[in-house]
Amino acid sequence: AQSVTQPDIHITVSEGASLELRCNYSYGATPYLFWYVQSPGQGLQLLLKYFSGDTLVQGIKGFEAEFKRSQSSFNLRKPSVHWSDAAEYFCAVGARAGGTSYGKLTFGQGTILTVHP
Amino acid sequence: DSGVTQTPKHLITATGQRVTLRCSPRSGDLSVYWYQQSLDQGLQFLIQYYNGEERAKGNILERFSAQQFPDLHSELNLSSLELGDSALYFCASSVPTGVRGVETQYFGPGTRLLVL
Repeated sequence: AQSVTQPDIHITVSEGASLELRCNYSYGATPYLFWYVQSPGQGLQLLLKYFSGDTLVQGIKGFEAEFKRSQSSFNLRKPSVHWSDAAEYFCAVGARAGGTSYGKLTFGQGTILTVHP
Repeated sequence: DSGVTQTPKHLITATGQRVTLRCSPRSGDLSVYWYQQSLDQGLQFLIQYYNGEERAKGNILERFSAQQFPDLHSELNLSSLELGDSALYFCASSVPTGVRGVETQYFGPGTRLLVL
């Protein structure tokens, strides 16, 4: 069974500083990886996804993530954080089923990002 | 706005009661997924429907059931409610990619359920 670990429960950065949120996954086959963001009282918004190909993927709001198979990681990065980036971030892995197309997502526990002015 | 709508936004009810949560997927999406988000369990996959048929099942209690109607909207029914069922319930939808694999899911704003 697949699993996702986000080692950092809470991260605090200053506005304008760089950001890296860690994500490690466990899955026996080629993973399908996602990062979602949840603002307080809001739903989950897709930031970016990795299905195959280039291991560095670009997303919305200036975020990017790098898939490293050797480290089973899919860390999220942003070069300069804005106060509006304060939210909770979730990494997820999708399970691929042989012969069908479906996508149960397994989520990590989330990382809460606080941005100081 | 993802295009996925959920009603109601908030629901307060008592233990032992039954509630129905509703989800309308994005236009063209055939799959609907239900997730539960709670403080102790995090985000947990409950169930998936594809074009009216159950496709995958996760950690869904026997007290819970879902269905997807011909117009593709879905309902999640929660019965014999307990205090521990208080959570945020998300619906997501996706469009078939045409290849065997995982589809990108777009989430609705959720229904916050409080059981007193």
